[in-house]
Amino acid sequence: GQSLEQPSEVTAVEGAIVQINCTYQTSGFYGLSWYQQHDGGAPTFLSYNALDGLEETGRFSSFLSRSDSYGYLLLQELQMKDSASYFCASDTGRRALTFGSGTRLQVQP
Amino acid sequence: EADIYQTPRYLVIGTGKKITLECSQTMGHDKMYWYQQDPGMELHLIHYSYGVNSTEKGDLSSESTVSRIRTEHFPLTLESARPSHTSQYLCASSEQQNTEAFFGQGTRLTVV
Repeated sequence: GQSLEQPSEVTAVEGAIVQINCTYQTSGFYGLSWYQQHDGGAPTFLSYNALDGLEETGRFSSFLSRSDSYGYLLLQELQMKDSASYFCASDTGRRALTFGSGTRLQVQP
Repeated sequence: EADIYQTPRYLVIGTGKKITLECSQTMGHDKMYWYQQDPGMELHLIHYSYGVNSTEKGDLSSESTVSRIRTEHFPLTLESARPSHTSQYLCASSEQQNTEAFFGQGTRLTVV
């Protein structure tokens, strides 16, 4: 089977940096992706890592270590609008994406 | 901008009724998926499809069926709705590589 573990909640203040971790157990792993979901909304794609290392997209960066079955999403210069749930998802090629249970990020003023 | 649409957005229906949730995408994606998600919880895979006439069951498939007769259309049918089906249903699509999935706005279903 496949499983992904994330912290359930993270709280940070505006302007700070926060890291959301994801550990996975999966066979036939291709890559790890991250999605953001605001309350009442649909998940939206943030990033995808197929290779080890850091991928940067503006204020958001994502990291993958395949040898450790571990990745993280790094959010810098936090803004109130970043308050949302963040999901990591494993890509095993043929099968559909498998999502983690999500991390609820609360940004405080 | 994602071009994937779900209808209806909201639905209240009585127990035992048969319902079909619609999902269409105009991006020509081969892969399409249905997920069920309760508020603030994880996404559970119900069904997915690799292309026309190919569908696979996910973890929560036992009480629903799907069809993929056309690339752009992937409807989900609940044969007999129950209160336990009350949830949000999200449709998504991607190219053959799962590098980026696009989600519809969801159907919020309430079974009374």
